[in-house]
Amino acid sequence: DVKVTQSSRYLVKRTGEKVFLECVQDMDHENMFWYRQDPGLGLRLIYFSYDVKMKEKGDIPEGYSVSREKKERFSLILESASTNQTSMYLCATRGHSSGGAKNIQYFGAGTRLSVL
Amino acid sequence: ELKVEQNPLFLSMQEGKNYTIYCNYSTTSDRLYWYRQDPGKSLESLFVLLSNGAVKQEGRLMASLDTKARLSTLHITAAVHDLSATYFCAVDERFGNEKLTFGTGTRLTIIP
Repeated sequence: DVKVTQSSRYLVKRTGEKVFLECVQDMDHENMFWYRQDPGLGLRLIYFSYDVKMKEKGDIPEGYSVSREKKERFSLILESASTNQTSMYLCATRGHSSGGAKNIQYFGAGTRLSVL
Repeated sequence: ELKVEQNPLFLSMQEGKNYTIYCNYSTTSDRLYWYRQDPGKSLESLFVLLSNGAVKQEGRLMASLDTKARLSTLHITAAVHDLSATYFCAVDERFGNEKLTFGTGTRLTIIP
């Protein structure tokens, strides 16, 4: 079974705090993703990484940064949390397309972040 | 830029009825995914459609792909309450990078 583990299910932080959201996968997948999900807006990609130390901006990278020092771990960082970053954050992983026809993307359980 | 549109966004239907969710996308692709999300939970993979004309079925759900029309459908047969969830389609852009582009989701509510 694929396991994508997000470090926290719920987090409450104050405006201006630095926030780390951690994601760990056990599938040896090359690609890892961070999304945020808000009512009526669907899933929006923040950042993704296709290899260790590699990252690419998604659709809404402003106010976020990421770190991928090891293949299995992808961290999302909110440098100075703001109330408009209150959201559900989902981590996902995916293998390389050459590794298998189905190449399903797997999601973690999500972290519900509230910034007060 | 790949765009993925789902409709309807909200669907309320009675138990026992049939209905279809539509997923249109804007560029060439031959790999499409359907996911289910229960309230407060994460996304689970339902179907993977890998070629034109592909059809997959599980229980009361059936998904199909028409790559020429750039359209996938998720058909619900004789709906039951435990199918209530939000359903997302996601498209893999051919020759693109490894990221999926998701539709906005269809929130399905089955009424007894």
